[in-house]
Amino acid sequence: DTAVSQTPKYLVTQMGNDKSIKCEQNLGHDTMYWYKQDSKKFLKIMFSYNNKELIINETVPNRFSPKSPDKAHLNLHINSLELGDSAVYFCASTAHGSYEQYFGPGTRLTVT
Amino acid sequence: GNSVTQMEGPVTLSEEAFLTINCTYTATGYPSLFWYVQYPGEGLQLLLKATKADDKGSNKGFEATYRKETTSFHLEKGSVQVSDSAVYFCALLMDSNYQLIWGAGTKLIIKP
Repeated sequence: DTAVSQTPKYLVTQMGNDKSIKCEQNLGHDTMYWYKQDSKKFLKIMFSYNNKELIINETVPNRFSPKSPDKAHLNLHINSLELGDSAVYFCASTAHGSYEQYFGPGTRLTVT
Repeated sequence: GNSVTQMEGPVTLSEEAFLTINCTYTATGYPSLFWYVQYPGEGLQLLLKATKADDKGSNKGFEATYRKETTSFHLEKGSVQVSDSAVYFCALLMDSNYQLIWGAGTKLIIKP
């Protein structure tokens, strides 16, 4: 069973398009995250959701919007894609009061 | 603010060599400390942790000791294998907000 899954694994699209990346966790965790990893492997947290409430929102352009239809899902919607959005995006989840984050396999986004 | 500094990579070693990846931190209070590993093409996974000073975390032959006096959490392994090739991330967690603060990652390359 896959604990944290993401779709799609690869996404190639043109500048200006709007796209979504989906994330699902079957661990019963309370908190989910989105991270962006650049080509140098630097990891930056973008958002986290706890019980459907946004609790962290770093300095991310408002073209990025997280959407959580329920506790098990946290999708990332990106409007007006730019070249600099090309990166690997990771979803992660954690249980309340826990220190361990479980990561999905990543979505490699390429904007041309 | 809280931060984590890792040695810059890549670190290239021969199989069976001794490994040290340095990690130092800055934090107000007493964080928990972690090492996560990212194998090629995968998401991050927890490698080991230490939650208080002088604790030693260990897993898969890797060890790290929480040194409060030097604010360090260096990762060591006595004899590395080709399969250890990955990117290693040091991170700290403050109990106050359960937000992980990540280091920049260190790429490790093991040659046969």
